[in-house]
Amino acid sequence: GENVEQHPSTLSVQEGDSAVIKCTYSDSASNYFPWYKQELGKGPQLIIDIRSNVGEKKDQRIAVTLNKTAKHFSLHITETQPEDSAVYFCAATPNTGFQKLVFGTGTRLLVSP
Amino acid sequence: ETGVTQTPRHLVMGMTNKKSLKCEQHLGHNAMYWYKQSAKKPLELMFVYSLEERVENNSVPSRFSPECPNSSHLFLHLHTLQPEDSALYLCASSQDPDFSYEQYFGPGTRLTVT
Repeated sequence: GENVEQHPSTLSVQEGDSAVIKCTYSDSASNYFPWYKQELGKGPQLIIDIRSNVGEKKDQRIAVTLNKTAKHFSLHITETQPEDSAVYFCAATPNTGFQKLVFGTGTRLLVSP
Repeated sequence: ETGVTQTPRHLVMGMTNKKSLKCEQHLGHNAMYWYKQSAKKPLELMFVYSLEERVENNSVPSRFSPECPNSSHLFLHLHTLQPEDSALYLCASSQDPDFSYEQYFGPGTRLTVT
């Protein structure tokens, strides 16, 4: 089955710096790659996603890139702000006929003022 | 807010107790999911329901019993749990389970088994 690895597990940056989180997946048939942000006491919330027919997607300060050949995808956050501090999860959806998200282990991002 | 509510938010139960977790979605979605979130482990999909029919049971022990009486409500019935079942249990919903629609998560129930 699908396996998703996520790095780093923790990431500390200064406000205004960029942050990059990387994930790799094992199932070449996976076709949907969402990123979720989880704040303390809340459930995960989708922040951006990308499909296998697209190489890059950007939404304001957040961008995601996908390399299908290498089977890895990355989240890029520019001009980080303290409110970006949270746990970020990547996920992949294998082509199983229904949406089965396989998650990475998460990255705790801390943005210091 | 996400439109998915879960009750209770916190639950402490003994290994011989029987309790139920409740999830309700107000988004008009057709699919609902139960996930388990343990420390330092990926979110684990437990069950998927599509239009009240279970379409996935991800090798979950029988001490966890889901119920989906309609497309807006999802329950997880718990009995004779083990301490290792302590975790955050998350409910989610999506418009359709067959396509890559966004999953909306509830805030979770923090379960502690003593």
